[in-house]
Amino acid sequence: ELKVEQNPLFLSMQEGKNYTIYCNYSTTSDRLYWYRQDPGKSLESLFVLLSNGAVKQEGRLMASLDTKARLSTLHITAAVHDLSATYFCAVDISHDMRFGAGTRLTVKP
Amino acid sequence: GAGVSQSPSNKVTEKGKDVELRCDPISGHTALYWYRQSLGQGLEFLIYFQGNSAPDKSGLPSDRFSAERTGGSVSTLTIQRTQQEDSAVYLCASSFQASGANVLTFGAGSRLTVL
Repeated sequence: ELKVEQNPLFLSMQEGKNYTIYCNYSTTSDRLYWYRQDPGKSLESLFVLLSNGAVKQEGRLMASLDTKARLSTLHITAAVHDLSATYFCAVDISHDMRFGAGTRLTVKP
Repeated sequence: GAGVSQSPSNKVTEKGKDVELRCDPISGHTALYWYRQSLGQGLEFLIYFQGNSAPDKSGLPSDRFSAERTGGSVSTLTIQRTQQEDSAVYLCASSFQASGANVLTFGAGSRLTVL
C-alpha cells in the first residue's frame, strides 16, 4: 500500500527565516504534486513535478523531486505571513492520487 | 461549469440517517476523486473514478459507504446509517489526466455533521 509521509506536521517560523518541508513516499513514482490549503478553504495546486530532478519555483517557494530517494522537498525562503497555510504533497500511482497528512505552517512576525 | 461543484455545502443529520453528497466535476474531466478530511487532519482517500468505473474502492471505510458516477460526469457519495465518526468534510476533485500531469481541481467540500 502506498504511504506518503510528510514532516514536520506542524511548523512555526519567524518571518524572514528559511525552512524545508519533506515528503517521503513508499512506492516508485515520478509524479508528485504540492497543494496549499488555507483555513476553511479547499486545496489549490502549487507545483507539479513529473521527473527525477525536477525543480519548480514560485516566489518564495521551491519544490524538488528525487525519485530514486522517493523524496520531495518544499523549501521556503525568507518566509512571510502570507505563506501561513497547510501544505500537502500528493503522489500519483497510475492516476490513483494519495496525499500526505499535511504540514501546517504558521509564519510569525 | 467553471469549477467543481459540491452539494450540499453543509449537512447536519441524526445518527442512523442516510445522506447523499453530490459532486459535479469540471466538464470534460475524466477522473473524479472523493476524499474525507476530518477537523485539522489530512486527506483520507475514499474512492477514485475513471469515467464511470472505479478502479480503486479500497478507501471506502465500511460497507455503509458507496459511490457511483453516471454519464462520466456527476458522482454521488452515499453514507448509510450515519455514525458520529462520519462527521468530516468530504472533498471531491476532478482532473483531465492529460499525458503527464494529473492536477486535481477541488470543490469547496461538503461538511457533514452527525449528531
